Amino acid sequence: QVQLQESGPGLVKPSDTLSLTCAVSGGSISIANWWIWVRQPPGKGLEWIGEVYHSGSTNYNPSLKSRVTISLDKSNNLFSLKLSFVTAADTAVYYCAKDLGAVAGAWGQGTLVTVSS
Amino acid sequence: DIQMTQSPSTLSASVGDRVTITCRASQSISKWLAWHQQKPGKAPKVLIYKASSLESGVPSRFSGSGSGTDFTLTISSLQPDDFATYYCHQYKHYPNTFGQGTKLEIK
Repeated sequence: QVQLQESGPGLVKPSDTLSLTCAVSGGSISIANWWIWVRQPPGKGLEWIGEVYHSGSTNYNPSLKSRVTISLDKSNNLFSLKLSFVTAADTAVYYCAKDLGAVAGAWGQGTLVTVSS
Repeated sequence: DIQMTQSPSTLSASVGDRVTITCRASQSISKWLAWHQQKPGKAPKVLIYKASSLESGVPSRFSGSGSGTDFTLTISSLQPDDFATYYCHQYKHYPNTFGQGTKLEIK
């Protein structure tokens, strides 16, 4: 069973770039799967950020598209999220996930990122 | 974007009750709908995908139905572990979108 674990800074300054990685264990990211990022502001609902396919093809939420990059690191079996020019509105728990609409879908445990000076 | 509207927003029920949560999409999503359960301070967990397929390890008291724009999640006999927030999630169209959540509380 695939397990996912997010990591990265818990505090980012306004206008900086938020960078997170999601380590995948129990399976290879090179297999035909979608690797996803979702976020949840404190006390609010879930927002889909985007996804990357095992081939490297990506889809992003248009509301964030100009600031987001999701990529694969096959040599380390992980995938990454970069969100540039962050503001306080980007403060959230960030989750990585796999195949949320297919068999064996899974979520990471989440990591809180606070944007503050 | 496809709007996903869940009802009710909050549901009070007792152990042993049968409960139903509904989710309506602003346009057809065929069967491309998942349900996720989230407990306070925890990550969501996938319960159901493709509207009615139960994820491995999920108890059979959970079931999903629907297609097009109207979907339901049913818990046949509530257990103490089921009190949580439930989200529907469409993945037919980009961007994927989630419902606002239904908080299932103990009566």
